Order: sequence, then C-alpha cells, then structure tokens
Amino acid sequence: RKEVEQDPGPFNVPEGATVAFNCTYSNSASQSFFWYRQDCRKEPKLLMSVYSSGNEDGRFTAQLNRASQYISLLIRDSKLSDSATYLCVVKSSGTYKYIFGTGTRLKVLA
Amino acid sequence: DAGVIQSPRHEVTEMGQEVTLRCKPISGHNSLFWYRQTMMRGLELLIYFNNNVPIDDSGMPEDRFSAKMPNASFSTLKIQPSEPRDSAVYFCASSSGLAGAYEQYFGPGTRLTVT
Repeated sequence: RKEVEQDPGPFNVPEGATVAFNCTYSNSASQSFFWYRQDCRKEPKLLMSVYSSGNEDGRFTAQLNRASQYISLLIRDSKLSDSATYLCVVKSSGTYKYIFGTGTRLKVLA
Repeated sequence: DAGVIQSPRHEVTEMGQEVTLRCKPISGHNSLFWYRQTMMRGLELLIYFNNNVPIDDSGMPEDRFSAKMPNASFSTLKIQPSEPRDSAVYFCASSSGLAGAYEQYFGPGTRLTVT
C-alpha cells in the first residue's frame, strides 16, 4: 500500500461547481499535512496547510480526519483557473520526509 | 522576496555527458531537498540537506548522481555520466524549522533531456 494515495482523476467539472478530493495516508504518526497545486510544466506550489480543526481560505476548505487517516480539499465555485493537479503531502513528526501523493487532476470546463 | 532559484531551466545533453544542476534556496531556510519528477514515478526525493549537511541520500538512484551543498545559499546536483533514463524535471525545494518542519517551497525546476 502506498504511503499517500490519491485518486488520479481527472475530475472534469463545470465552472461554478463544487468539487472535493480525498487523500488517504497510511502512517498514523503523520503530523503535518499540506495541499499543493501544480500547473502543467510548473513547480508545485503550496495551496494550504491542513490543520486538525480544519481550515478555510476563500473558496478552499481543507479537513483532516485522523481516525480514518484522510485529508480532504473542497473547492467551491470552481474557476477555469483552478484547473491543475492537486498534490496531497504528508509528513511525520520528527522526520524530514515529505511524502507526496501522485496528485489528482482537475479540469474546470467553461 | 526571491524564491528558490534554479539553473539552468532547460538542459539538453547527449548521453555520457556530465550535467550539473544548481540551486539557491530561500535565504534563512535550513533544509534543502532535491526531487526528480517523471510521469511514470511522480515526485521522488533524491537527497535532503539540513544545515548544509547531507542527511539522507538514499533516494539517489546510482553512483552517477552526486549532490553538494558547500554553503547555506548554494547546492548542486551532478549526474556523470548522464543517461537517457535520467530525463526528467529536477526540482530543488527549501524549508525552515527543525528538520524542515514547515512547508516546502519549490524552485521552477530544471527540465533535463538526455539524448
């Protein structure tokens, strides 16, 4: 089983739709969680950290479920510019290794 | 603030040649990571430096790969000799905090093509 698993997609959604991605992780000692966004032929960029209580940044909401070992990303009112690959990242306390998922591809359609 | 800087952005070389990739981390960051990304394998960690010291190079594919960090503001990844299967995008990332506790910031990458 992979340490971090994501549905590769693609998720094709119309503009204005709400879309959610999940990411599961296998190491229960994982302490830090992030969502990164990667555009085609570009570097991954931090979208948001994921906090235990959940957090929101504009149209984006991230949630953590420790019991079931998954994190989620919700995007409301999708824009064409949200089209990208979304990478889930997990890190265990006391280690340096950031484990990247293979990403979920989102296409927002006009 | 300047982000992570990498050079060159693109490199095309012939099999057998030496390739050197360069990275300047964000000032003040004490952790530096080299990654390789391909369609087949995704993002793979090659090596991690903390305070200029290589901590884990278990991801380096072969002895053909070597990395150095002579000071806090510069790192190199060298491939000698290069092979076609080394073709990939190589990213450098930096982070701060104990053992790189905080989020990583990536450079724009070097797109390497070995023919």
